[in-house]
This record gives sequence, C-alpha cells and structure tokens, in this order.
Amino acid sequence: QVQLVESGGGVVQPGRSLRLSCAASGFTFSNYGLHWVRQAPGKGLEWVAVISYDGNNKWYADSVQGRFSISRDNSKNTLYLQMSSLRPEDTALYYCARDDSVWTGYPSNIFDYWGQGTLVTVSS
Amino acid sequence: DIQMTQSPSSLSASVGDRVTITCRASQGISNSLAWFQQKPGKAPKSLIYAASSLQSGVPSKFSGSGSGTDFTLTISSLQPEDFATYYCQQYNSYPLTFGQGTKLQIK
Repeated sequence: QVQLVESGGGVVQPGRSLRLSCAASGFTFSNYGLHWVRQAPGKGLEWVAVISYDGNNKWYADSVQGRFSISRDNSKNTLYLQMSSLRPEDTALYYCARDDSVWTGYPSNIFDYWGQGTLVTVSS
Repeated sequence: DIQMTQSPSSLSASVGDRVTITCRASQGISNSLAWFQQKPGKAPKSLIYAASSLQSGVPSKFSGSGSGTDFTLTISSLQPEDFATYYCQQYNSYPLTFGQGTKLQIK
C-alpha cells in the first residue's frame, strides 16, 4: 500500500535552516509528482510546493518562494523540503502528499495520498 | 490568488442526518475542486476531486457537485466516524488554495 513517511522536523531558531524528508513506498516513486502542504497549530491547510515526477518543474507558494526549495531523489524514493531563513510563522505540521498524475511535467494538483506529517517549530 | 470560502464554519448534526457544506471560489475554477476530511490528530484524507469524482475507496455517501465558483459537499446518513473537519481546495491555478474548513460536530 502507498506509504509516505515524513521526518526531519524539530525546534529551530528563527533565521536558521532545516531539511524535511518524505520517504515513499508502495508505488513507483519516480512516476509521480509530489507536494508539501502545511498546517499551523489549530489552523487550516496551506499548500507549500510541488515538484514534477522528474524534478524538472517546481512551483511554490508566495509565502515560501525564495526561502524553501523542493527536491527529490528518485533513486532513494525520497522527497525533500529544504527550508531556510525560517520564521515563527513557518511553525506547522508539514505533510507530503502524492499528486495523482503520472509521467507528466505538469502535475494535476490532485492529492490522492498523504503522509502523517512532521512538526516544525520555529522559536527562539 | 483564488480565495476559497466555506460555509458554514461549523455545523452540528445528528447521526443519520444529511448535511451539505458549501465552498465558493473568488473566481471561476471550472471543476478543479477537491474535498478533504480531517479528523483530530490525523492527516487529511482525500475524498473528492474534479468537483464530483470520488477518490478510490471513498463511500458513495459522500457526493460533490458544482462548477465555476459554487460547489457543495453532501454527506448522507451521518455516522459517528463522519464527524470531522472538511476542507475544499482549488487546483485550477497556482498557488493552490484551501477553504478555511468546516467543523462537523455531533448535536
């Protein structure tokens, strides 16, 4: 079955960096686009970024553009989110989610499976 | 950015009821609309895409409709496991945006 397992969260000071990972199993990882979505404590969902199946196309939310970078290693079945210049407002549970499109440089942006999330807390 | 507005923000209903949640987009999004269910402490679960298509494994008690700017999610014959928060999301254009959520509570 499809599994997405996030890791790498923790407590970090404002201005510092952190890298999140999402390990995938149960499907052919290299065929699918992938997203990061976050949820601040007690708040709603906010889309963060998406990467195409081959890593060639990426899109970001304005709130993270220039600070966060999404990438993937298809040989390791792992998605990443490199976060820099972190701010207190980046504090959230970060989910990875699979895009349901296959082999397309332009994701459908339809989420079908979600991980359980990893918590990032930005605080001094 | 496209703003998504859900109503109501919270809703109380009884087991066996049928409920409808509304989602309105600030501009036309064709049928590029998805619905998610989230229970406390859990990840969201995808329910519906393309406004009315059920994700695999989602029971037919969930149904969606709409196009353009106005959409609805209807849940029939509510069961205890259906009480959760529901979110709509547009994927017509970047940035992808979600509604603020509708919390469905037991009356």
